[in-house]
Amino acid sequence: QLQMQESGPGLLKPSETLSLTCIVSGDSISSGSHYWGWIRQPPGKGLEWIGSIYFSGSTYYNPSLKSRLTISVDTSKNQFSLKLSSVTAADTAVYYCAKEIGFGDSPEYFQEWGRGTLVTVSS
Amino acid sequence: DIQMTQSPSSVSASVGDRVTITCRASQGISTWLAWYQQKPGKAPKLLIYAASNLQSGVPSRFSGSGSGTDFTLTISSLQPEDFATYYCQQANNFPLTFGQGTRLEIK
Repeated sequence: QLQMQESGPGLLKPSETLSLTCIVSGDSISSGSHYWGWIRQPPGKGLEWIGSIYFSGSTYYNPSLKSRLTISVDTSKNQFSLKLSSVTAADTAVYYCAKEIGFGDSPEYFQEWGRGTLVTVSS
Repeated sequence: DIQMTQSPSSVSASVGDRVTITCRASQGISTWLAWYQQKPGKAPKLLIYAASNLQSGVPSRFSGSGSGTDFTLTISSLQPEDFATYYCQQANNFPLTFGQGTRLEIK
């Protein structure tokens, strides 16, 4: 059974870099067919797609974050990661990793989600 | 970016009621639409994809319809576990975007 667990610091100061890793078990990122993505949700607000990555390293990024964003994959560890630089209070959110449904050749819908991790940006 | 607008923002209903939530895209997205359910403190759960396809394991009381710019999620007979927030999401263009959510509350 697929399990996805986000890990990383829960508290950051403004201007620091947010680094999160999604550890995947019960499925292999290298099996292909699926993109793996990051979605965030500010407290009490809606969902925002951050970006997605394929096992080959091919990425799709949200243009609103692209200048600060790097998503990478480590198939040997069966995990993928998010780095978001120069964070501000506006980046405070629950960050989810998710497995895309895998019907097409680009990210579409997210069929499996991690539990999410709250990242707070505060001085 | 394609803007997704859900209505209503919140709705109160009773167990056994039929409820419909709508989602409108700012431009045509064919049937590239999903619906998610989110309960407090939990991750979203995929209910419907490609506008009308029921995700495996989702009860048949959930159904989706629509194409182009207008979509609906219908719950045919509300169960206690259905009270949650529902989001639509388009997958026609990047960036993928979500609606603002519809909160379904117990009357």
